[in-house]
Amino acid sequence: KAGVTQTPRYLIKTRGQQVTLSCSPISGHRSVSWYQQTPGQGLQFLFEYFSETQRNKGNFPGRFSGRQFSNSRSEMNVSTLELGDSALYLCASRFLETSGDNEQFFGPGTRLTVL
Amino acid sequence: GQNIDQPTEMTATEGAIVQINCTYQTSGFNGLFWYQQHAGEAPTFLSYNVLDGLEEKGRFSSFLSRSKGYSYLLLKELQMKDSASYLCAVRDRGYQKVTFGTGTKLQVIP
Repeated sequence: KAGVTQTPRYLIKTRGQQVTLSCSPISGHRSVSWYQQTPGQGLQFLFEYFSETQRNKGNFPGRFSGRQFSNSRSEMNVSTLELGDSALYLCASRFLETSGDNEQFFGPGTRLTVL
Repeated sequence: GQNIDQPTEMTATEGAIVQINCTYQTSGFNGLFWYQQHAGEAPTFLSYNVLDGLEEKGRFSSFLSRSKGYSYLLLKELQMKDSASYLCAVRDRGYQKVTFGTGTKLQVIP
């Protein structure tokens, strides 16, 4: 079974631009979560989508948004990029059909650099 | 919300045992994860504790005390490849949001 895939793997943008990142979950997984990872803050939760609906949201400004498609693929968008948005963006998927299913599988991440 | 604390860095010797602690304060608790993350790679799942006690998986064990808001990850027979960051994360009840600690960077030395 293929793992979680993220595209692109690396991205360089300038301040003020916008960016869209993509995540394809493991086949059969319906929940997709997004995280931002920086050296100072660690892994911070952005949002989680399940069946095309946002279930949870972290404490990020409205410039960060996401969506999920009917095939469970998800995208996140960051508008009006700031230098502080430079980070590794990780996507994680899980099955989420039973109460015992809790393991998240992470993708390799997208390294975003804002100049 | 959640507040999670773990040491920033630890160093241990190859072949030894190391214990990485994690304390948390939570408004609602479902369970606690441990993940391993090598530099430049994605986190990989190690364990998920829901009930109090120790769970063992090979060289790795994880302990949870819900009443104390405390967990630890125990690594035995350390190998050089165990050098990595170890992330403690708590899952909420209800909507099951996951909050991560900032991670403990473990360096294994010969």
